[in-house]
Amino acid sequence: GAGVSQSPSNKVTEKGKDVELRCDPISGHTALYWYRQSLGQGLEFLIYFQGNSAPDKSGLPSDRFSAERTGGSVSTLTIQRTQQEDSAVYLCASSFFLLGETAFENSPLHFGNGTRLTVT
Amino acid sequence: AQSVSQHNHHVILSEAASLELGCNYSYGGTVNLFWYVQYPGQHLQLLLKYFSGDPLVKGIKGFEAEFIKSKFSFNLRKPSVQWSDTAEYFCAVIAVYSSASKIIFGSGTRLSIRP
Repeated sequence: GAGVSQSPSNKVTEKGKDVELRCDPISGHTALYWYRQSLGQGLEFLIYFQGNSAPDKSGLPSDRFSAERTGGSVSTLTIQRTQQEDSAVYLCASSFFLLGETAFENSPLHFGNGTRLTVT
Repeated sequence: AQSVSQHNHHVILSEAASLELGCNYSYGGTVNLFWYVQYPGQHLQLLLKYFSGDPLVKGIKGFEAEFIKSKFSFNLRKPSVQWSDTAEYFCAVIAVYSSASKIIFGSGTRLSIRP
């Protein structure tokens, strides 16, 4: 597609349930990023993929959070046993070049519209 | 740990006023710097970026930013704002290591322009 696609756009779930959020990056983009945007908190880094591997998982807030990427394309972010504090907008972004590559300068992050997660 | 500070959480201006949004980061080494904008109901878009060279960077829609290394700052400016500039603005930094880097965002500044 023309841009980064995220689904669902909205998700309401009960506390304790598991949720899966999906990100379809721009075709050919090697790098994929997940961020969380909470009210008044800005964008919180969660995880970064280079191809299918995740060299930096330092932002995942707890072991209830996990992410995978298959085929160098689609990524899923899974939150197990959701808590109310998990409510936020989860943003995905992709870029053609990797962080640290000189050409990254010419390949800015492209963001999706996000998934708004509400845990009741 | 690296961090990015945007001290202005909400700025309200009248049309044609001048704008300056502050951004400070905490990292003493090489950095790449960005400003992103999120218009109401839209996704984040790149406004401008600094990687090297002239520290005064020009972006889209008349915005510019100046990298002042000694002040660890990358403030965003526009001489005359328009109502259509109403949006949320995020400063972001890459602290460049020898290994994997990450892009760190500030908490954002909401800009409201009175017509």
